Amino acid sequence: AQTVTQSQPEMSVQEAETVTLSCTYDTSENNYYLFWYKQPPSRQMILVIRQEAYKQQNATENRFSVNFQKAAKSFSLKISDSQLGDTAMYFCAFLSSGGYNKLIFGAGTRLAVHP
Amino acid sequence: DAGVTQSPTHLIKTRGQQVTLRCSPKSGHDTVSWYQQALGQGPQFIFQYYEEEERQRGNFPDRFSGHQFPNYSSELNVNALLLGDSALYLCASSLVSHGGAFFGQGTRLTVV
Repeated sequence: AQTVTQSQPEMSVQEAETVTLSCTYDTSENNYYLFWYKQPPSRQMILVIRQEAYKQQNATENRFSVNFQKAAKSFSLKISDSQLGDTAMYFCAFLSSGGYNKLIFGAGTRLAVHP
Repeated sequence: DAGVTQSPTHLIKTRGQQVTLRCSPKSGHDTVSWYQQALGQGPQFIFQYYEEEERQRGNFPDRFSGHQFPNYSSELNVNALLLGDSALYLCASSLVSHGGAFFGQGTRLTVV
């Protein structure tokens, strides 16, 4: 069974600085997807970034980028130029390519951005 | 596009009662999944519906059941509520052919 581990329960960063959130996963599959979701106090889970395992190039979305290390089964999220609105819970999630869109989530990292 | 909508937003029920939560998927999406998120934890997969049938189920008892309608909307039913069923229930919609999902704002269920 696949598992997702986020080893940082809480992180904090100053506004405008860069922060990296860690995620490791375990799978025997070769084709899959990885995601980072953001959950602000409003509760809605918002898709931040997506990575397809067969793509070697790391995904980027504006200030958000990932460092995908397939062999190490590592998938970290880098947030550049942190903003107060980035304060939220961040969840790493795994999706098997044949998994009927069943997402497996980590326990989350609470990120606080301070002025 | 209204995105994924869930109702109600909050709900308080008594132990032993039954509850029905509702979800309308994002326009164009044909698959609906339900997740339970306990306080301070990541969401846990309950089940998924596609073409009005349950396609996959997580490790949840039969007290949890669901339904998908021809317009792709879905219901989650929980019978014989326990205190431990208190959680945020998230609905996610997606295309069967596309990895990833869009989530609604969730229903906060409190069982007292």
